Amino acid sequence: QLQLQESGPGLVKPSETLSLTCTVSGGSISSNNDYWGWIRQPPGKGLEWIGTTYYSGSGSSHYNPSLKSRVTISVDTTRNQFSLKLSSVTAADTAVYYCARHDIVPRISDWFDPWGQGTLVTVSS
Amino acid sequence: QSVLTQPPSASGTPGQRVTISCSGSSSNIGSNTVNWYQQLPGTAPKLLIYTNNQRPSGVPDRFSGSKSGTSASLAISGLQSEDEADYYCAAWDDSLNVVFGGGTKLTVL
Repeated sequence: QLQLQESGPGLVKPSETLSLTCTVSGGSISSNNDYWGWIRQPPGKGLEWIGTTYYSGSGSSHYNPSLKSRVTISVDTTRNQFSLKLSSVTAADTAVYYCARHDIVPRISDWFDPWGQGTLVTVSS
Repeated sequence: QSVLTQPPSASGTPGQRVTISCSGSSSNIGSNTVNWYQQLPGTAPKLLIYTNNQRPSGVPDRFSGSKSGTSASLAISGLQSEDEADYYCAAWDDSLNVVFGGGTKLTVL
């Protein structure tokens, strides 16, 4: 059974870079057709997709246009992990950050399943 | 302001049937499939319905999804107290973006 677990600092200072890692267990991150995504949820608010990446090749990532200039998602196949970096953070980036497998059937459908338990990141000095 | 529009709240009594709507546009729901996620209090979202009307293994058949044009609906029949949660719709948007609804808080009275 595939499981995902987020890890990283719970507190980040304004203007710095938020860095999180998602560890995948129960399966390989380099499985065919598996994409990997990040979603966030500000306290008391709804869900926002951050971006999705494939395990190999450059240019295999897609980002939310509103965050694209600040986001990088990368994969480490040797550790079965993928990571999120969000630069120049402000208080508006305070949220619970979730990682998830992004099941994509090209030109047909896509969905997130399963999800990690989430990790709260607070941006504050 | 979410790209997909959901009512902020819904309610029903045990055993009742409740529906939650999700309205979008031609660039998202109108041309792509819809998924629904259930978020129980204090937990991560969980896939409830995918590809408009498909249930993942383990999801009771009390939950059903439908789509018509630029709108979608989630129906819950035989409402139970454990269904009290936040429900989110989501779809791919042709602007190369996954978009979510603002969420609907379901209360079981």
